[in-house]
Amino acid sequence: QLVLTQSPSASASLGASVKLTCTLSSGHSDYAITWHQQQPEKGPRYLMKLNSDGSHTKGDGIPDRFSVSSSGAERYLTISSLQSEDEADYYCQTWVSGTQGIFGGGTKVTVL
Amino acid sequence: EVQLVESGGGLVQPGGSLRLSCAASGFTFSTYWMHWVRQVPGKGLVWVARIDNDGSSTAYADSVKGRFTVSRDNAENTLYLQMNSLRVEDTAIYYCLRDWHGEVYWGQGTLVTVSS
Repeated sequence: QLVLTQSPSASASLGASVKLTCTLSSGHSDYAITWHQQQPEKGPRYLMKLNSDGSHTKGDGIPDRFSVSSSGAERYLTISSLQSEDEADYYCQTWVSGTQGIFGGGTKVTVL
Repeated sequence: EVQLVESGGGLVQPGGSLRLSCAASGFTFSTYWMHWVRQVPGKGLVWVARIDNDGSSTAYADSVKGRFTVSRDNAENTLYLQMNSLRVEDTAIYYCLRDWHGEVYWGQGTLVTVSS
């Protein structure tokens, strides 16, 4: 069974960088991952999708400060030059057989 | 501009029913698979259901299988979620979602509260 594991929290100073990790369970290291942001009291917002071939697509209006990468079963979302508005929950997500959605538990990012 | 607007949420007693709607605009609705995702306030996102572009194929999370039905009216550009036998644990914000090859759009959500 595919499981996405995220650390519950992360923090970094204003203007610094933070790297969030989403780990795919064993045997599922070739899945594409989508990252979503949810600011406090708001609905989710699509950030970026990282495909299994390393290519990626970005949502409308997403700044270049957001980037994605991967290594083995780990998928990363890096936020550079942290802004106060980046304080949010970040969820990774994938599709099983292209049909059933799986979300990670989310990482709460705090900007110090 | 792609827009997804949910409606139909509200307060319902345990065992009751509710139908949610998601009005789509700004794209050719009939060509996209659509999903429902829910979120208990303060908790994470959970996928609920999916329907293919012409409504011929559906899939559900185990927690709602047999109680919820996803459907669509392509003539009206609207996605539905019929929720029956509602439980307290179905209390959540329900979002509709379009996700196709990195083109991803969320609705703003509608709150369903199941309580006596």
